[in-house]
Amino acid sequence: DTGVSQDPRHKITKRGQNVTFRCDPISEHNRLYWYRQTLGQGPEFLTYFQNEAQLEKSRLLSDRFSAERPKGSFSTLEIQRTEQGDSAMYLCASSLGVGVGSTDTQYFGPGTRLTVL
Amino acid sequence: KQEVTQIPAALSVPEGENLVLNCSFTDSAIYNLQWFRQDPGKGLTSLLLIQSSQREQTSGRLNASLDKSSGRSTLYIAASQPGDSATYLCAVNQGGSEKLVFGKGTKLTVNP
Repeated sequence: DTGVSQDPRHKITKRGQNVTFRCDPISEHNRLYWYRQTLGQGPEFLTYFQNEAQLEKSRLLSDRFSAERPKGSFSTLEIQRTEQGDSAMYLCASSLGVGVGSTDTQYFGPGTRLTVL
Repeated sequence: KQEVTQIPAALSVPEGENLVLNCSFTDSAIYNLQWFRQDPGKGLTSLLLIQSSQREQTSGRLNASLDKSSGRSTLYIAASQPGDSATYLCAVNQGGSEKLVFGKGTKLTVNP
């Protein structure tokens, strides 16, 4: 499978625990994005990377959230001290990301569904 | 702040019907607009991308149009099939940012 993959697909945790999600983008894609989606809503942007550089972060990304893409390939999203309001689907996407301006299709992974008890 | 609205929120049609989904956005300074499909509990599948300089894109039974100046896009689905049942999401790529801003989607049900 050459699409975007995410692991785990489902995560159940207790409030206050830390969780980490992984995203593997399409291999030649330079840009990687994280979004969060709650029930009945469209996805909301969290952050994006151009290669290993984190270039944009949403105000939704509180100081409990951190994302990394250390070698410009896979990325991790960590949530510390989880709260019930963090329960959502966390989606990763990638795009080719060459040239000026955002003209590339973003390809999404299957998502990680987080449930905080 | 860019806002994307999709109407209707839900639509139920008999198989074979042609249908139109609507998307509107408040800030016309966009790079492109994408339509996605999402099946329950799944990720998003890209259907069509329209660059800001384009008026429409076609893929099979799908046709998407873009009127940037009025802040509107439509997704036309011809000869709908039960397999088209899903939530359809519209998203705009705002100029000066790499993020996509999504609408809440239209949940489509095609009845056999």
